[in-house]
Amino acid sequence: TQLLEQSPQFLSIQEGENLTVYCNSSSVFSSLQWYRQEPGEGPVLLVTVVTGGEVKKLKRLTFQFGDARKDSSLHITAAQPGDTGLYLCAGDYGQNFVFGPGTRLSVLP
Amino acid sequence: NAGVTQTPKFRVLKTGQSMTLLCAQDMNHEYMYWYRQDPGMGLRLIHYSVGEGTTAKGEVPDGYNVSRLKKQNFLLGLESAAPSQTSVYFCASSYSWAIGGYTFGSGTRLTVV
Repeated sequence: TQLLEQSPQFLSIQEGENLTVYCNSSSVFSSLQWYRQEPGEGPVLLVTVVTGGEVKKLKRLTFQFGDARKDSSLHITAAQPGDTGLYLCAGDYGQNFVFGPGTRLSVLP
Repeated sequence: NAGVTQTPKFRVLKTGQSMTLLCAQDMNHEYMYWYRQDPGMGLRLIHYSVGEGTTAKGEVPDGYNVSRLKKQNFLLGLESAAPSQTSVYFCASSYSWAIGGYTFGSGTRLTVV
């Protein structure tokens, strides 16, 4: 059974700070996705990464896929209160698509 | 463009009662999924469908049944609700298995007392 770990579990920062959250697995992903979930809503897809070493940018968010395709990171520059939410990674292992438990981010004004 | 619509948004059941959660998508997606989300557990797949008339078990299927009679609809049934089924339920759909990403509904919060 594939297991996705995310760290940290919780993160509370001030507006303007930078942060990085991580997604790790002992198995190789075919692809990996990042989602953001706001309270009372379903997750919304942010990005999909497919190639080892791939880096994608979405405004102030930078996503990196590990060279071995077993881990990924999400870096947010100059965080804003609107970035508050639960960040979920989800890995495609071919026959299984597994969500991690998430990192709950709170950005204080 | 509504995307994925779930009904109801909230429900309280007594132990042993039954209910059906409804999911509808208007994106012509082949794949549809039912997940439950519990604190610290992440999203866990209950059942999924790869096309009209097909269903398959996910990670936590016990106590649930599903049907996909029409391509746009995916129904999740609880035959005899138990307190362990208290959770937030999400329906999702996708064009393909993983690459295109999932579109989620806004969830149904179910409490079984």
